[in-house]
Amino acid sequence: KNQVEQSPQSLIILEGKNCTLQCNYTVSPFSNLRWYKQDTGRGPVSLTIMTFSENTKSNGRYTATLDADTKQSSLHITASQLSDSASYICVVRGLSGGSYIPTFGRGTSLIVHP
Amino acid sequence: DAMVIQNPRYQVTQFGKPVTLSCSQTLNHNVMYWYQQKSSQAPKLLFHYYDKDFNNEADTPDNFQSRRPNTSFCFLDIRSPGLGDAAMYLCATHRRGAGDTETQYFGPGTRLLVL
Repeated sequence: KNQVEQSPQSLIILEGKNCTLQCNYTVSPFSNLRWYKQDTGRGPVSLTIMTFSENTKSNGRYTATLDADTKQSSLHITASQLSDSASYICVVRGLSGGSYIPTFGRGTSLIVHP
Repeated sequence: DAMVIQNPRYQVTQFGKPVTLSCSQTLNHNVMYWYQQKSSQAPKLLFHYYDKDFNNEADTPDNFQSRRPNTSFCFLDIRSPGLGDAAMYLCATHRRGAGDTETQYFGPGTRLLVL
């Protein structure tokens, strides 16, 4: 069964500090992995997407890494800002039966304190 | 520029009273999805349309129905809402096929409260 596990479930950091969120998946065969940011009461917004051959992708202060061998990804946030407070969701798409339906993680809730 | 629009943003209904949530898109995407998201949980796929082809997830209750009258619009009908149906309902779109960026674009969601 395809699964995406994220850790930690929640995280509180001070403004300006860095943090790293983790995502482990069992989706196979693997197609791509995407990190979304979901603000409270909003729909998710895509931050990065990585395919099998990519092991790092940056979007401003967000840097995602992918290790397809160990089926792990991380999202690193540098110099956190109050506006980074949100839920971060890891979404993995496989190629099972030609399906394009992605598997969602439960998300990591990040709170940035001033 | 809103690309996936959901109305209303907040919906209050009574136990057992039918309710319809709407989603529209300006992206001309051929796939539209409906997700249910409860607090601190991942979005759960209810069903999706690939063009006019309706695809229901195996564990989606019969209480949930959907309509897609044209490419731009998709509706979620909850025939007899129960207290357990209170959640955020997310609509998403995706272009499958030529030009597929494999990105789902989400609407802002409709938060449903059942009294």
